[in-house]
Amino acid sequence: GAVVSQHPSWVICKSGTSVKIECRSLDFQATTMFWYRQFPKQSLMLMATSNEGSKATYEQGVEKDKFLINHASLTLSTLTVTSAHPEDSSFYICSAKTGTVYGYTFGSGTRLTVV
Amino acid sequence: GQQLNQSPQSMFIQEGEDVSMNCTSSSIFNTWLWYKQDPGEGPVLLIALYKAGELTSNGRLTAQFGITRKDSFLNISASIPSDVGIYFCAGPPPGAAGNKLTFGGGTRVLVKP
Repeated sequence: GAVVSQHPSWVICKSGTSVKIECRSLDFQATTMFWYRQFPKQSLMLMATSNEGSKATYEQGVEKDKFLINHASLTLSTLTVTSAHPEDSSFYICSAKTGTVYGYTFGSGTRLTVV
Repeated sequence: GQQLNQSPQSMFIQEGEDVSMNCTSSSIFNTWLWYKQDPGEGPVLLIALYKAGELTSNGRLTAQFGITRKDSFLNISASIPSDVGIYFCAGPPPGAAGNKLTFGGGTRVLVKP
């Protein structure tokens, strides 16, 4: 149980285009999801907290207009990287609270490469 | 900013060896979580600790919640090749809203050549 599916697992896009990443909770409802960014050989850095039916809460220094988050249902949150640039290339990972005490399940990540 | 410090940053293991790593913080944490991340994958929870002094095992893994609540340790006994990966400690920082997690910098476990 408590599976989080993230799609796509990798994507290559041209500079200036937008890319959407999906995070789905497959067998549970997730009112809260989290989006992380991870650079090579570094730790996970929280970008934003996605709340179903309300606006996402962004961490300091994360551009909300650049990284659009939508959590329109209890099983789906999306992260859209708008007008992507090479410096946005990174590994993006989502996680969802499973409803148990500190139960967080992570997606398998999305490798974004902007060329 | 990052509040959890992990050491060592990396280590080499030989099959059969026991390995240890730790995580420290300048602040008190009420929960410590240990995750493992394989290349190109998301982190997977290994052990969760909820009480100071708690010692919990999961197979060959053992983790302890430090009595000061400012540190935690993870031990792997009789390591095997598939133990290679990055191990992260994590926890909700003091006063954090929304139960978000802070991650340590990770300990990269590699196989001794």
